[in-house]
Amino acid sequence: KAGVTQTPRYLIKTRGQQVTLSCSPISGHRSVSWYQQTPGQGLQFLFEYFSETQRNKGNFPGRFSGRQFSNSRSEMNVSTLELGDSALYLCASSRGTGPINYGYTFGSGTRLTVV
Amino acid sequence: EDQVTQSPEALRLQEGESSSLNCSYTVSGLRGLFWYRQDPGKGPEFLFTLYSAGEEKEKERLKATLTKKESFLHITAPKPEDSATYLCAVLPGFQKLVFGTGTRLLVSP
Repeated sequence: KAGVTQTPRYLIKTRGQQVTLSCSPISGHRSVSWYQQTPGQGLQFLFEYFSETQRNKGNFPGRFSGRQFSNSRSEMNVSTLELGDSALYLCASSRGTGPINYGYTFGSGTRLTVV
Repeated sequence: EDQVTQSPEALRLQEGESSSLNCSYTVSGLRGLFWYRQDPGKGPEFLFTLYSAGEEKEKERLKATLTKKESFLHITAPKPEDSATYLCAVLPGFQKLVFGTGTRLLVSP
């Protein structure tokens, strides 16, 4: 059974550019959540999608956006990149809405470096 | 504000030397407490979910317990392959997990 697939694994971007990250959940999982992981802040919630609808959003600026497609694949976009956006971006999928009943399965993440 | 604090930040053990990791939390309406293991360069791997005070769960050398204010992850007779960062997270009323910053465990042979 394939796990959560995130692409690309590594990205280097310049300040001011924009970037799109992709996440393919486990087959049959309809919920996708995104987290940002940095050494100082740990994992911080970005947003959650279920059946193409954003159900919850974290405290990040509007430069961070996302969407989910009808096949449950999700993308997140960061515009006007800043140095502080350098982080590991993790995607997690779940069969239901949120982790409480079915748990989360995380992907290996996309390591974004902004120079 | 929902908050999770893990201690210690880092822990070095000899193989076979048992110890415990702590996760203290303040949250409005706990729906669940989660433990994850994260290896370098990988995403977190699910270990346990605890739902109510007094609950305990075990998996191989790991045992997780929960009180109203904290959770412990007990590691019995650890092996080098147990070396990883252990993350604790709580699920309050909303659907988003609130994570601690983790405990980096190193087990030496």
